[in-house]
Amino acid sequence: AQSVSQHNHHVILSEAASLELGCNYSYGGTVNLFWYVQYPGQHLQLLLKYFSGDPLVKGIKGFEAEFIKSKFSFNLRKPSVQWSDTAEYFCAVISNQAGTALIFGKGTTLSVSS
Amino acid sequence: DGGITQSPKYLFRKEGQNVTLSCEQNLNHDAMYWYRQDPGQGLRLIYYSQIVNDFQKGDIAEGYSVSREKKESFPLTVTSAQKNPTAFYLCASSIAPSNTGELFFGEGSRLTVL
Repeated sequence: AQSVSQHNHHVILSEAASLELGCNYSYGGTVNLFWYVQYPGQHLQLLLKYFSGDPLVKGIKGFEAEFIKSKFSFNLRKPSVQWSDTAEYFCAVISNQAGTALIFGKGTTLSVSS
Repeated sequence: DGGITQSPKYLFRKEGQNVTLSCEQNLNHDAMYWYRQDPGQGLRLIYYSQIVNDFQKGDIAEGYSVSREKKESFPLTVTSAQKNPTAFYLCASSIAPSNTGELFFGEGSRLTVL
C-alpha cells in the first residue's frame, strides 16, 4: 500500500542540538514532497517543498531537507534547534500515480528544552 | 485578509445527530480538501474537490458527505453513520491540484460527540 512513514513519534532535544527527522514514502513514479509544521495553537504551514532540481532544499527558519530518490526518503534537518522550534512536523507526498491530493505521515512531535 | 475560514471552532454533538462544518476561502483557489487529524494518526484525507460541482472520496470518506456548489465554499457534513466522529477537522485549499502547489490550511474545527 502507498504510504508515508515518519520514523519518530516524539523527539526531545536541548537547544543548539542538531535535528534530523526521517520521512520515507512508498509511492512510485514522480513525486512532490513537502514538510509542514504546526506550532502550538497555530495553523499548519508549509516549511519547505521539493518538486525537481537540486535535491537539497532549504525552507524557512533554517530548515532544510534532502530528497534521496534511491532511498525513497525526504529527511528534514536543522543544524541547531531553538526552543521556538517546538512543534509537530508532518511529511507529505503527492505522486502522479496516487491521485491528486497530498498524503501525510503521522507526524513527529519535537520538544526543545531551553 | 485572504485566507480560509472554518466554523465553528468548537462543536459539541449528541450521538445520532448530523453536523455540518463550514469552510470558506477567499483565495480564489480551485481545489479544496478536508482532512481529519487525530493524535498519533497525522492527517487523513476525507474528501477533496478540484472544481465546482465535483468531488472525490479520500481515504476515510465513510460517514461523511460534502458539496461544492460554489468555488469558495466546501462544507463537510459528519453524519450519524460516522462511528468515531470526535476529532479535529482541517480544511485546506490550493491554487491547482496539489501536485503542483502547496496547501493553505484553516484553523480547524474541533468536534466532540457526547
